[in-house]
Order: sequence, then structure tokens, then C-alpha cells
Amino acid sequence: GENVEQHPSTLSVQEGDSAVIKCTYSDSASNYFPWYKQELGKGPQLIIDIRSNVGEKKDQRIAVTLNKTAKHFSLHITETQPEDSAVYFCAATPVIGNQFYFGTGTSLTVIP
Amino acid sequence: SAVISQKPSRDICQRGTSLTIQCQVDSQVTMMFWYRQQPGQSLTLIATANQGSEATYESGFVIDKFPISRPNLTFSTLTVSNMSPEDSSIYLCSVGGGWVVTEAFFGQGTRLTVV
Repeated sequence: GENVEQHPSTLSVQEGDSAVIKCTYSDSASNYFPWYKQELGKGPQLIIDIRSNVGEKKDQRIAVTLNKTAKHFSLHITETQPEDSAVYFCAATPVIGNQFYFGTGTSLTVIP
Repeated sequence: SAVISQKPSRDICQRGTSLTIQCQVDSQVTMMFWYRQQPGQSLTLIATANQGSEATYESGFVIDKFPISRPNLTFSTLTVSNMSPEDSSIYLCSVGGGWVVTEAFFGQGTRLTVV
């Protein structure tokens, strides 16, 4: 099955700086890569996603890049704000089947 | 999008007892998923629940310990049986995916503490 690795496990940045979280996956059949933000006491919520036919996607301060050849994808948050502090999970899923394989999570702290 | 309601949101249970967690979706979905999130850890899939068939369990999870019901297209339950402190986790239900893959939507989770 798919194996998703995520780094770093913790990340602290100053407010206004950028944050980058990286994930690798093992199954070349995976073609959908969402990123989730989980705040304390809440379930994960989708913040951005990318499909395998796209190399980069941006939504305001958040962007995701995908390198299918190298099997890695990254989340980029620019101009970080304290409310960006949360745990972020990457995930991968193949075309056939419905299971999402999650990375181990990154605890992001934005220091005011 | 889908709105998922989970009940209870949290509970403290005695070891040896069982707890049933309910998951209600505001639209009909073919597949529902149950995840476990141990403290500070990622999400681990317990089982996939299809309406009208037996749930499919992932390695390390068995039906006797985590029986699942899926009586209709908008509802599912997960029971954590004969609980021990090691079962203390957040349990999340999810819908999404499909043959044309879309995002997964999660409930707010059930925070279970076994004492």
C-alpha cells in the first residue's frame, strides 16, 4: 500500500515568514494530494489540494507543488499569521479506491 | 461539500465497557470511513463501511473489537468494545473519495478517554 512521509514534525516560524512542509509518497498510482489543517479539538479540514495533472496550485497565501517523478509534494504558506498555528497533514490517494493515506503531521507554530 | 455530525464529542469510560460512536452525514454517501488518531499521531484507517455490506477492516483492526454498522447511506456507527486505556484516542468518521476522487470530509471527532 501507499506510504506517506511528512517532514518536519514540528515547525516554528516568526509571524510574516514562510513555512514549508514536505511529503513523499511511494505509490505511483496516487493521483490526488490534499492538505488538511487540524486545530485543537476539531477534525481535519481541507485547505488545498492538487491532482497529478497539475504541478502547482495556489490559493492566496497557500500553495502546493507536486513533483510526480520524484514522488513528493509540498505545502507553502507565505506571510504566516498566528492563526495559521495548527497541525497540518498531507495525504495521498490513488485513482481506484477511496482510502486516504495520511502523513504523520506537522505541528506549526507561528510566533507573533 | 458534506457536513458530518459525530456523537458523542467526548467521553470518559471505564475499562472493560463499550462505547458506540455515531456518525450522521447530511447527504447520501456510498462509503464512510472510520479513523483513529492517537495522541499526537496521524490518522490511521480502522475500516471502510459500505452500505449493505460488511465493513472492510485494515490490518491490526478486527470486527470483534470495532464492530461497525451502516444501516443506510447517511449513517454509521463504530463501537469500541471491551475498552482498555490503549483505546484512548480521537475517533473520526469521514466521507469522500470515490471513483472521481474528491476531498475527504471529517466529523469533529470523538475524544475517548479510558480509565
